[in-house]
Amino acid sequence: GQSLEQPSEVTAVEGAIVQINCTYQTSGFYGLSWYQQHDGGAPTFLSYNALDGLEETGRFSSFLSRSDSYGYLLLQELQMKDSASYFCAVTSGTYKYIFGTGTRLKVLA
Amino acid sequence: DAGVIQSPRHEVTEMGQEVTLRCKPISGHNSLFWYRQTMMRGLELLIYFNNNVPIDDSGMPEDRFSAKMPNASFSTLKIQPSEPRDSAVYFCASSFSFRGDTGELFFGEGSRLTVL
Repeated sequence: GQSLEQPSEVTAVEGAIVQINCTYQTSGFYGLSWYQQHDGGAPTFLSYNALDGLEETGRFSSFLSRSDSYGYLLLQELQMKDSASYFCAVTSGTYKYIFGTGTRLKVLA
Repeated sequence: DAGVIQSPRHEVTEMGQEVTLRCKPISGHNSLFWYRQTMMRGLELLIYFNNNVPIDDSGMPEDRFSAKMPNASFSTLKIQPSEPRDSAVYFCASSFSFRGDTGELFFGEGSRLTVL
């Protein structure tokens, strides 16, 4: 089977840096992706890692360690609009996307 | 492109009624996914199609649920008969899956289902 674990909630202040971790167990692992979802909205794609290392996209970076079955999303220079839920998702070789339970990020002024 | 289009956006029905949710994926995408989201269970993958063929329906909760994709531009998720525990937001998502894909799914705005 497949399973992903993320913290349920993280709180940080504006301007700070926050890291959201994700550990996974899956067969046929292909890659790890991250999605953002605001309340009442749809998930939107943030980043994807197929290889070990860090991928940077503006204020957001994502890291993957395939040997540790672990990844994280790093959000820098936090803004109030970053308050949302963040999901990691594993992609298997059959292009199946399984999502974690999500981390609710609260950004305080 | 208009993105993934789902209908209806909201549906309120009574227990025992049939519910049909519809999805139009992004043109050119070859994979389509149906997810259900609740507070308790998060985003659950119900079924996904590749090139209109169902690949994995192991997430479909029970026989009351069925999904079809008669062509590349349309899919339906049907619940018959509906029960209160089916109340959730149902998302359709599409992607262009190929070797070395980017992991990017494009989600519709969702269909919020309430079964009384």
